[in-house]
Amino acid sequence: DSGVTQTPKHLITATGQRVTLRCSPRSGDLSVYWYQQSLDQGLQFLIQYYNGEERAKGNILERFSAQQFPDLHSELNLSSLELGDSALYFCASSVEPSGTYTDTQYFGPGTRLTVL
Amino acid sequence: QKEVEQDPGPLSVPEGAIVSLNCTYSNSAFQYFMWYRQYSRKGPELLMYTYSSGNKEDGRFTAQVDKSSKYISLFIRDSQPSDSATYLCALLEGSYSSASKIIFGSGTRLSIRP
Repeated sequence: DSGVTQTPKHLITATGQRVTLRCSPRSGDLSVYWYQQSLDQGLQFLIQYYNGEERAKGNILERFSAQQFPDLHSELNLSSLELGDSALYFCASSVEPSGTYTDTQYFGPGTRLTVL
Repeated sequence: QKEVEQDPGPLSVPEGAIVSLNCTYSNSAFQYFMWYRQYSRKGPELLMYTYSSGNKEDGRFTAQVDKSSKYISLFIRDSQPSDSATYLCALLEGSYSSASKIIFGSGTRLSIRP
């Protein structure tokens, strides 16, 4: 168990809908990262927050947004959902903001999103 | 061309065999090299990391980096059924002070036959 929790575990919804995925980082970790993992694209970095502020942005669509709250939990909002958004969404956390190899990212168990 | 190429497998070997997993990359700016292991229905977990060219050993695992060829490898000695998982290489540009983005390979599915 990495100490990172994600809810819900599974989410099934329809095209055009909006969903919110939630992540609680490990105790003491200030950085939160969101990733999308699909069969054809692999694991893709979406966005990083550090202590409430956006730190780095990856291949995140404009329909997606995220935030990190004062208690350090984070939410990833996905709107106008399309079939291609079906994937596993992982949250990871680390202590430092740098995300270098010495600052290990601990991954949560993921949320499996299915868009029908 | 993808920044990181990794053979998706699946790779199936008998227990006790030496396993070799590989990635190639195109961007010479990558400085940090990592291997993650992902069991089915779980998130990835960091297995090994290295910064420089050469070998780094940790128990049955050896990570090898050849920056001149832009080629990284993970060797697993005396492979066990519990090593059955997907292995992802991951590369990182940047320094301690910069916000960094990890680029992951697509992962190789490994199965160790008892």
